[in-house]
Amino acid sequence: GAGVSQSPSNKVTEKGKDVELRCDPISGHTALYWYRQRLGQGLEFLIYFQGNSAPDKSGLPSDRFSAERTGGSVSTLTIQRTQQEDSAVYLCASSLARTSGQTGNEQFFGPGTRLTVL
Amino acid sequence: TQLLEQSPQFLSIQEGENLTVYCNSSSVFSSLQWYRQEPGEGPVLLVTVVTGGEVKKLKRLTFQFGDARKDSSLHITAAQPGDTGLYLCAGAAMEYGNKLVFGAGTILRVKS
Repeated sequence: GAGVSQSPSNKVTEKGKDVELRCDPISGHTALYWYRQRLGQGLEFLIYFQGNSAPDKSGLPSDRFSAERTGGSVSTLTIQRTQQEDSAVYLCASSLARTSGQTGNEQFFGPGTRLTVL
Repeated sequence: TQLLEQSPQFLSIQEGENLTVYCNSSSVFSSLQWYRQEPGEGPVLLVTVVTGGEVKKLKRLTFQFGDARKDSSLHITAAQPGDTGLYLCAGAAMEYGNKLVFGAGTILRVKS
């Protein structure tokens, strides 16, 4: 389909290992967002990409988290030296433009990657 | 502390009943969105409200944005089992860099 896709859908890893989560946004969407959703909580903003501009990393919880977006399309979120508190669903979303919340600037979400750190 | 407080956290009702969920904040938002999320999927946008006092209807769902743009409500009439899911409100405000801030959500279960 033409929606946002994420892989893997589930990832189980051991504490201390590095993980990479992938997001394929909707073609033509210039804005890409990563969120973290812990059980029973809302979405926590992590990082945002808009075109060729420098990413907004203000939501990254520590320097163990990083993300890149290659060619303005696919994005990878990397978590180094994973901790048990990193266990959550990681959601990716894309939209046509930067300013979220305005009518027409709908964010389209992928199904998420459920990360479990043992 | 959530920037957007949603209530109730969990709601279990019988098919055909009406319900209202609330989204409150001390901040003023330029716009507010409501999303519905089903297990194993990402949230899907239901509506965006941008004007204080605005009311939008989507079939059996009625959304209202508070006059002061600090709160919103979602009312569902004659709930159906298909309405079951997690309802999230999300607001955009200049003080948050116009990034969406999400509430913790209301889990709705409609029993047949």
